[in-house]
Amino acid sequence: QQQVKQSPQSLIVQKGGISIINCAYENTAFDYFPWYQQFPGKGPALLIAIRPDVSEKKEGRFTISFNKSAKQFSLHIMDSQPGDSATYFCAARPLDNYGQNFVFGPGTRLSVLP
Amino acid sequence: EPEVTQTPSHQVTQMGQEVILRCVPISNHLYFYWYRQILGQKVEFLVSFYNNEISEKSEIFDDQFSVERPDGSNFTLKIRSTKLEDSAMYFCASSGRKLAGGLETQYFGPGTRLLVL
Repeated sequence: QQQVKQSPQSLIVQKGGISIINCAYENTAFDYFPWYQQFPGKGPALLIAIRPDVSEKKEGRFTISFNKSAKQFSLHIMDSQPGDSATYFCAARPLDNYGQNFVFGPGTRLSVLP
Repeated sequence: EPEVTQTPSHQVTQMGQEVILRCVPISNHLYFYWYRQILGQKVEFLVSFYNNEISEKSEIFDDQFSVERPDGSNFTLKIRSTKLEDSAMYFCASSGRKLAGGLETQYFGPGTRLLVL
């Protein structure tokens, strides 16, 4: 129940295209869903996050879509650029008094071709 | 912009040796974390720390691991007797006080790459 599933494992997109990464969870106590971007040799960096009370959040070229009933959420990168090439992790945080640990998905390696 | 820093960036050690990984969280943050990432795999939670005590830990965080906040700025992860399978990138993260609505953001450091031979 603590797992977060993520697909695809890898994704190749042409410059200007739309990149879509999907995640699914089972634990209904999760209440915060961030996406992290990680470049090789660097730590994960928060990209965008959403709470279950909204169905969509957009920041620039990045959009999270959230389907609470299906327990799924996805990241859309519009007008993908070669600089977006990185590994993307979705994550979820279980509701807990103190616990602020995140459960991470396995990651999606995105390559944007010039 | 404030950031989480970690030292060393790389650490090579012999199996059975003790290592201490150091982190300086963002100065006004209250919650501290360690994660690890084995090469090519996902990020895994190890431990969270708040108010000078462990608030949560995963099954990975066994008796060989310990954390400490020895002063007002550093946050350390100690591995008492390293094993080959401890080879990984170790990330420190910190987050601030809960905002209205409960949103919290974790900021990650650049990581320490640990290699156990």
